[in-house]
Amino acid sequence: LAKTTQPISMDSYEGQEVNITCSHNNIATNDYITWYQQFPSQGPRFIIQGYKTKVTNEVASLFIPADRKSSTLSLPRVSLSDTAVYYCLVGDGSARQLTFGSGTQLTVLP
Amino acid sequence: GAVVSQHPSRVICKSGTSVKIECRSLDFQATTMFWYRQFPKQSLMLMATSNEGSKATYEQGVEKDKFLINHASLTLSTLTVTSAHPEDSSFYICSAERENNEQFFGPGTRLTVL
Repeated sequence: LAKTTQPISMDSYEGQEVNITCSHNNIATNDYITWYQQFPSQGPRFIIQGYKTKVTNEVASLFIPADRKSSTLSLPRVSLSDTAVYYCLVGDGSARQLTFGSGTQLTVLP
Repeated sequence: GAVVSQHPSRVICKSGTSVKIECRSLDFQATTMFWYRQFPKQSLMLMATSNEGSKATYEQGVEKDKFLINHASLTLSTLTVTSAHPEDSSFYICSAERENNEQFFGPGTRLTVL
């Protein structure tokens, strides 16, 4: 399973765009990149998933360079309620279990 | 999106007792469910894979006789923590896999063993 590396924590202010980068140097050809959000005492919530280039949905964008060894989750105009832990996961095509790394604690300040 | 529920949401028990946690997929059938454990300020750790109609697969270091898993139907998996001790106090989270391999997580169960 490909290992991921993320910053442990990030601070931002309301209304700013936040970019969280994840490194996954050993990503395999079949792997997708998935980001989850987790609030305290809740289960993780799916944010976005991508394979290459750029993916955008109603809550975030995911940028993946051509070599796919990293990815960046972009949250536009964050609010206080976006304070959470964000996990980057790389899915191994042969295993369905999700392996969670340490995650990034995002704190949005007023 | 799909909904997965857990019951109870929190439970407090005495040391030595057993606690059962239920995980239900409410609007889809899940042949596979996963159980995770999360200690404070730490990430989720996979404990076991629950397969409907067959034995669960446990991760290394997880005692199968202590954490009993039963996947009785396509919408229900249960995790029983037997003879619970204070060190078993944790946040237990399940996820259910839909036919396209997409996973949906439950809200978690906070277990406190006194």
